[in-house]
Amino acid sequence: SQQGEEDPQALSIQEGENATMNCSYKTSINNLQWYRQNSGRGLVHLILIRSNEREKHSGRLRVTLDTSKKSSSLLITASRAADTASYFCATANSGGSNYKLTFGKGTLLTVNP
Amino acid sequence: SAVISQKPSRDICQRGTSLTIQCQVDSQVTMMFWYRQQPGQSLTLIATANQGSEATYESGFVIDKFPISRPNLTFSTLTVSNLSPEDSSIYLCSVGGQGGINEKLFFGSGTQLSVL
Repeated sequence: SQQGEEDPQALSIQEGENATMNCSYKTSINNLQWYRQNSGRGLVHLILIRSNEREKHSGRLRVTLDTSKKSSSLLITASRAADTASYFCATANSGGSNYKLTFGKGTLLTVNP
Repeated sequence: SAVISQKPSRDICQRGTSLTIQCQVDSQVTMMFWYRQQPGQSLTLIATANQGSEATYESGFVIDKFPISRPNLTFSTLTVSNLSPEDSSIYLCSVGGQGGINEKLFFGSGTQLSVL
């Protein structure tokens, strides 16, 4: 089964607006992570939320996790043109191999100046 | 944190040839991971490179097509053999953090491969 399905697939907003991306998964997890990728290059880790956490903040980022619904959301507040990138969620499955993450298909965020 | 140097950053190769990608980490790490990202798609784990033993391949990936070397704790190579246009992808190496199981990954900048 496919883990980490993000929606929407693409999101276009104006600078200053908030951007919300969602991620759903199917199996039990140890943690869920969000990554950012600029122009098809390497991924950069943004934030990690563990299965016993419900919300986490980092700067302009807010992540929520609902394990009963097997879903997570990433909120970017006061977006900037530099936030334009693809955003991926990744799950570390409970009982799985250490470090083995399963990535979703990503949301392409475009922030228009 | 870990700083990863991956090269080449991009290459254009002919069908039937091979490409070897190098990944150098600035600290010793137990496991290194190789991912493939096909155009417009997500990342798929190819294999885990273990120092001192053979790599562990994921379903759908075989050693003959994707041989991996891991001569020490800071370096690994991935070779994509007998190239076909379907191998055109971004290939990424990554390492785990040292904070324990299932911690975040650090990625190299990727190798964009185009096969003609």
